[in-house]
Amino acid sequence: EVQLVESGGGFVQPGGSLRLSCAASGFTFSNYAMTWVRQAPGKGLEWVSVISSDGVNTYYAASVKGRFTFSRDNSKNTLYLQMNSLRAEDTATYYCARDPRWLQNFDYWGQGSPVTVSS
Amino acid sequence: QSVLTQPPSVSGAPGQRVTISCTGSSSNIGAGYDVHWYQQLPGTAPKLLIYDNSDRPSGVPDRFSGSKSATSASLAIAGLQAEDEADYYCQSYDRSLSAVVFGGGTKLTVL
Repeated sequence: EVQLVESGGGFVQPGGSLRLSCAASGFTFSNYAMTWVRQAPGKGLEWVSVISSDGVNTYYAASVKGRFTFSRDNSKNTLYLQMNSLRAEDTATYYCARDPRWLQNFDYWGQGSPVTVSS
Repeated sequence: QSVLTQPPSVSGAPGQRVTISCTGSSSNIGAGYDVHWYQQLPGTAPKLLIYDNSDRPSGVPDRFSGSKSATSASLAIAGLQAEDEADYYCQSYDRSLSAVVFGGGTKLTVL
């Protein structure tokens, strides 16, 4: 059974940093690209970033480019989203999702990790 | 303002059929990129419902169907059930933005 479990969310002040993790199991992790999608409270879904299966290639939404860094450790079946210079508008639940065909559909999602940026 | 436009809400009685539209442009759906649909039950993560415009993942009932035409797509739900009450999102790729784009979401209410 495919499982994705996010962790690391919490409360942070504007300008601060936070690192999210996503632990994967139930599939050959190193064969798949992975993605992050976020959802602000009461709002819709917003794609954040994608990483290739080998971790070499990453792409970001314009709203987070230069502030967020997406990485992975295939030996630990884990993704990381390093979020720096956080803003109030980054407040959201962050979901990791499996990306089987590079920026097409996302077939499995984690339960989400909430991030609140506020003073 | 979302790149893909969905109606904020739709409703229907149990057993009825409803459709949810997703309107894009020549830089996304009209450019030939596929449309995918997700169902988000209250308080849960999104779940893939339809991929590649009209295909259903294993386990999704055939009451759910999708279609695509020109710069728009539609999700149809037949034989509405109380458990279908959820938010539904369409998703595609936009070549001008070089990014995945979502619709704003549609809240389905089963009367």
